[in-house]
Amino acid sequence: DTGVSQDPRHKITKRGQNVTFRCDPISEHNRLYWYRQTLGQGPEFLTYFQNEAQLEKSRLLSDRFSAERPKGSFSTLEIQRTEQGDSAMYLCASSLSRGPTYNEQFFGPGTRLTVL
Amino acid sequence: GDSVTQMEGPVTLSEEAFLTINCTYTATGYPSLFWYVQYPGEGLQLLLKATKADDKGSNKGFEATYRKETTSFHLEKGSVQVSDSAVYFCALRALAFGGTSYGKLTFGQGTILTVHP
Repeated sequence: DTGVSQDPRHKITKRGQNVTFRCDPISEHNRLYWYRQTLGQGPEFLTYFQNEAQLEKSRLLSDRFSAERPKGSFSTLEIQRTEQGDSAMYLCASSLSRGPTYNEQFFGPGTRLTVL
Repeated sequence: GDSVTQMEGPVTLSEEAFLTINCTYTATGYPSLFWYVQYPGEGLQLLLKATKADDKGSNKGFEATYRKETTSFHLEKGSVQVSDSAVYFCALRALAFGGTSYGKLTFGQGTILTVHP
């Protein structure tokens, strides 16, 4: 039973560069979530998908951020023209949309982004 | 909007001491409440949950009771161990009056717990 996986685990980039992160959810989970966590804070919601549909986006998700889940399986989060303020841990989670455990989100290990 | 407030940390205890980490919330509708734990170098793990008022979630000796009247979900453990050292996050997931589930979790800022032998 594999959990949520994220790739890469660490990414160092220079300001202005584009970066893309990938998340593979638990295979039977149809909901997928992205969060951002900065040092000393709790995770903040960015966006979520049910199957391939993006159902909610946070105001934190500026125009430089885009997320996709083209086939309802894995998802990518792209940040264009990175800024130093984008440095954070990017977390992915997945869940079912119905059933006794539908409230439970399972988190991946995160991708730590450092923008120099 | 929805929000979660946790007690200020860090919390430092000796092994076998009693633990309480306070959590209060504001939310529209009827939220489900969660405690997540993040051990050093690991990802967030669900510790326990409660989905309606007066429910008690429990796991690994930890307990929390959903108190609607005080909008609280305090985490307790009777006797902590060194292995409980971690960061603990309280979170809520809002549920609209019509039963529509909103996807996102809203987290508190986290409480660092250190347990000494």
